[in-house]
Amino acid sequence: AQSVTQLDSHVSVSEGTPVLLRCNYSSSYSPSLFWYVQHPNKGLQLLLKYTSAATLVKGINGFEAEFKKSETSFHLTKPSAHMSDAAEYFCVVSENSGYALNFGKGTSLLVTP
Amino acid sequence: EAGVTQSPTHLIKTRGQQATLRCSPISGHTSVYWYQQALGLGLQFLLWYDEGEERNRGNFPPRFSGRQFPNYSSELNVNALELEDSALYLCASSYGRIGGELFFGEGSRLTVL
Repeated sequence: AQSVTQLDSHVSVSEGTPVLLRCNYSSSYSPSLFWYVQHPNKGLQLLLKYTSAATLVKGINGFEAEFKKSETSFHLTKPSAHMSDAAEYFCVVSENSGYALNFGKGTSLLVTP
Repeated sequence: EAGVTQSPTHLIKTRGQQATLRCSPISGHTSVYWYQQALGLGLQFLLWYDEGEERNRGNFPPRFSGRQFPNYSSELNVNALELEDSALYLCASSYGRIGGELFFGEGSRLTVL
């Protein structure tokens, strides 16, 4: 069975400081992993995805994530937070033979001036 | 190019009634997915349609059903509404099978009184 655990339900950072949103996954097969972002009252937008190519994945808006098989982790990072980064972030896993994405419960990112 | 569109934006029903939500995928996308986003529960996979067929469903009772039309648009029906059905229902589309990017609509918010 595949699942993800987002280790923090809320993260607060100051504008200009680094962002770290943590995600651990569980999968019986070689997984595909995604990060999606949801701004208030909006649908979800793909930030980045890992599909067994390079382990360091670069996404939009300066975000990146590193796939670490030994730690079963796929943490999302950004060197410098911007006010517009405040949103809900979802880590997602899909087995290559699966038929649906499994979402984590989300991490709410707050960026303070 | 138009994105995934969902209607209605908001819907208010009372217990026991039926709700119908609609989704139009991005042109050329053959797969449509439905997710429920209830407060505190994250995104839960409901249904996946591809080429007019139901390919997979999540752990929801049979009163949650739907269909996909020949033009690939989709309908989600919820019968015998219960208070806990109050949620944001998100539709997503993709070209082909899972593993690729899902494009989400902005959702339909269902309130059951």
